[in-house]
Amino acid sequence: ETGVTQTPRHLVMGMTNKKSLKCEQHLGHNAMYWYKQSAKKPLELMFVYNFKEQTENNSVPSRFSPECPNSSHLFLHLHTLQPEDSALYLCASSPYGVNEQFFGPGTRLTVL
Amino acid sequence: SQQGEEDPQALSIQEGENATMNCSYKTSINNLQWYRQNSGRGLVHLILIRSNEREKHSGRLRVTLDTSKKSSSLLITASRAADTASYFCATDEGGGGFKTIFGAGTRLFVKA
Repeated sequence: ETGVTQTPRHLVMGMTNKKSLKCEQHLGHNAMYWYKQSAKKPLELMFVYNFKEQTENNSVPSRFSPECPNSSHLFLHLHTLQPEDSALYLCASSPYGVNEQFFGPGTRLTVL
Repeated sequence: SQQGEEDPQALSIQEGENATMNCSYKTSINNLQWYRQNSGRGLVHLILIRSNEREKHSGRLRVTLDTSKKSSSLLITASRAADTASYFCATDEGGGGFKTIFGAGTRLFVKA
């Protein structure tokens, strides 16, 4: 266990649904990340938050909406997704100024 | 654009043999990391090598970095079936910040 938890672990949703992914860490880290991992593609960085402020938005479609209420929690709100958004969504955290990232187990998302 | 690219894409070896994976990148970096991912799970940090280091060891892992060739290698000695996983290199952008770019990974299969 890395100390980063993600819920739910599996999610199936229709294209008109609204759902949220949750990530939580109590490692005292200040930076949190969302990644998308699709089959046969490299891990794609989506968003980065540092001290609750968004520092990276890697041209992610607006149907993905991140929220970082504090340094320990990170959400990814999903609405009107497309089947091609089906993937493993990984959350990670890292201490400030340190490159090593600690990953959660991921949420396997299927969009029907 | 993809920063790190691993070679080979897949590798199958017998238990007890050594496994070597290579990573090439395009721009200058501050450091390079290697991560491991078991199927459908989160990534686990293995080792970080800084741009002013040439070689680093951690248990059965040996990482080399050649900044003149913009390449790194990960050697796993005396491999075990439990080493079966995907291995990714990851680089920073070299200008600070939190953007880590992952390669597509090498899938290692160790046969018992």
